[in-house]
Amino acid sequence: DVKVTQSSRYLVKRTGEKVFLECVQDMDHENMFWYRQDPGLGLRLIYFSYDVKMKEKGDIPEGYSVSREKKERFSLILESASTNQTSMYLCASSETVGGTQYFGPGTRLLVL
Amino acid sequence: QKEVEQNSGPLSVPEGAIASLNCTYSDRGSQSFFWYRQYSGKSPELIMFIYSNGDKEDGRFTAQLNKASQYVSLLIRDSQPSDSATYLCAVKAAGNKLTFGGGTRVLVKP
Repeated sequence: DVKVTQSSRYLVKRTGEKVFLECVQDMDHENMFWYRQDPGLGLRLIYFSYDVKMKEKGDIPEGYSVSREKKERFSLILESASTNQTSMYLCASSETVGGTQYFGPGTRLLVL
Repeated sequence: QKEVEQNSGPLSVPEGAIASLNCTYSDRGSQSFFWYRQYSGKSPELIMFIYSNGDKEDGRFTAQLNKASQYVSLLIRDSQPSDSATYLCAVKAAGNKLTFGGGTRVLVKP
């Protein structure tokens, strides 16, 4: 069974804080993804990575950065959190390019 | 026009009936198509995927793909209250990423 874990289920931060969201997968997958999910807007891709130290911008990368130093770990960084980054953040991984993505449980982030 | 479109619902279905969900996409070069189920407060989980035109069946679920008309559908037979969830359509065009539709909320009434 593929397991994708995320560091926190719920997080409350203040505007301007630096926020780290961590994601770990245990299936040796090459590809990892960060999405945010908002009511009425669906799942939107922030960044993805297809190899260690490799990253590509998704559809909404502004205000975010990522880090992938090890194959199993993909971190999302909010350099200076803003209230419009309040959202559900979902991490996913896949074995093949464009293949089935397996999601973590999500982190619900509230920025005050 | 959104790249992947779904009716947001809710789609209300009596228990035991067939639920029919549709998804249209804009990129003719799309190659792979996925249906995910997401329960309220949970993360999406894969139901099935389809690559070729036609039908693909898995238990009570059938995915139907028509690339000429650029739509993919999901049928849920013998709907159960436990099928009440939001169903997300995802499409892979060129590149590494999937594009998700906004989801269709399904309510199965006992």
